[in-house]
Amino acid sequence: GQNIDQPTEMTATEGAIVQINCTYQTSGFNGLFWYQQHAGEAPTFLSYNVLDGLEEKGRFSSFLSRSKGYSYLLLKELQMKDSASYLCAVSLYGGSQGNLIFGKGTKLSVKP
Amino acid sequence: GAGVSQSPRYKVAKRGQDVALRCDPISGHVSLFWYQQALGQGPEFLTYFQNEAQLDKSGLPSDRFFAERPEGSVSTLKIQRTQQEDSAVYLCASSTAHQPQHFGDGTRLSIL
Repeated sequence: GQNIDQPTEMTATEGAIVQINCTYQTSGFNGLFWYQQHAGEAPTFLSYNVLDGLEEKGRFSSFLSRSKGYSYLLLKELQMKDSASYLCAVSLYGGSQGNLIFGKGTKLSVKP
Repeated sequence: GAGVSQSPRYKVAKRGQDVALRCDPISGHVSLFWYQQALGQGPEFLTYFQNEAQLDKSGLPSDRFFAERPEGSVSTLKIQRTQQEDSAVYLCASSTAHQPQHFGDGTRLSIL
């Protein structure tokens, strides 16, 4: 079976940095995605890693270690609007064309 | 520009009724995916189309679930003889080559 684990909930303070971890055990691997989902809204794409290392995009960075089956999403200079669920997802095949296997999501609450 | 559009946004049906959920993908997107998202969970894959061809339907939970995309654009997910466990948000996503999936806001289905 496929298994993707991430913490259920996290709390952080406005202006701080938070790291959301994700570990995966899947039958295949063609990339790892992070999506942000506000309550009642569509998941929106944040980042994609297919090779080991760090990908930086503004306040958001994502890291991947394929040998460890591990990724994290780093959010800097937290803002209140960053309060949302963060979904880790693995593409088993076909890169962005393949269906995604999602974790259960990490609900992040940013407090003043 | 237009994103992925799903209708209706909310659907309430009595147990045993049939429902049809519609997805309008982003124009020109070849790939279309359906996911089911239960409350507090990550999306779970249901089925995948490439143009009009349904290439993977391994995630459909039973033969009561049927999806089609006859002209390679709009897709419909049909659920026959609905049951309470079908209550969930149904998400549609579309993508083109080497691009991440773009999600619609989903249809929230409640079975009474």
